Amino acid sequence: DAGVIQSPRHEVTEMGQEVTLRCKPISGHNSLFWYRQTMMRGLELLIYFNNNVPIDDSGMPEDRFSAKMPNASFSTLKIQPSEPRDSAVYFCASSLAPQDSYTGELFFGEGSRLTVL
Amino acid sequence: AQTVTQSQPEMSVQEAETVTLSCTYDTSENNYYLFWYKQPPSRQMILVIRQEAYKQQNATENRFSVNFQKAAKSFSLKISDSQLGDTAMYFCAFNGGATNKLIFGTGTLLAVQP
Repeated sequence: DAGVIQSPRHEVTEMGQEVTLRCKPISGHNSLFWYRQTMMRGLELLIYFNNNVPIDDSGMPEDRFSAKMPNASFSTLKIQPSEPRDSAVYFCASSLAPQDSYTGELFFGEGSRLTVL
Repeated sequence: AQTVTQSQPEMSVQEAETVTLSCTYDTSENNYYLFWYKQPPSRQMILVIRQEAYKQQNATENRFSVNFQKAAKSFSLKISDSQLGDTAMYFCAFNGGATNKLIFGTGTLLAVQP
């Protein structure tokens, strides 16, 4: 079975440019999460969705960040305009919602490494 | 607010030896899940082991086992017969269940020496 699929794996861009990261969750999973990993701050939850609805976006750093989940099989995380401090690895993860056969486990994609020059 | 603390930023162990990684957490919930994830240099996040708080028996997965002390809010990971492939960053994580998000500790970088 395919796992969580993220694209691109690597992105290098210039400050001020728009960046779009993409994620396809595991089929049948109805919760989706975006995490950011940096050396300074570790793994931070940015936002998560249940059944395509954003539940908690308190971790989104500022208005330059936005996330959408138009359907159960696709989500995007957009940064506009990008800044050098946005450089990080961005992970997407998916899971079943607590009311299903819940194990609590999140399944992670391979991450998108973003470098903003 | 729930928090997860890993007090060992780095650890080293000789191949074939046993090592224990520490984790403590803080929560007011009674039902929750605890995890150890491994992140090798490839950066993939890999589940190592899971523990449900309502289960008293400590979870075991081959060479990996946990010491879950609910009253003390402690959740340590023991790796037996360490192998070179165990070299990675290890993250302890908490899931409160009602909100199904994972809260991570800061990680412990484990180096297995030949």
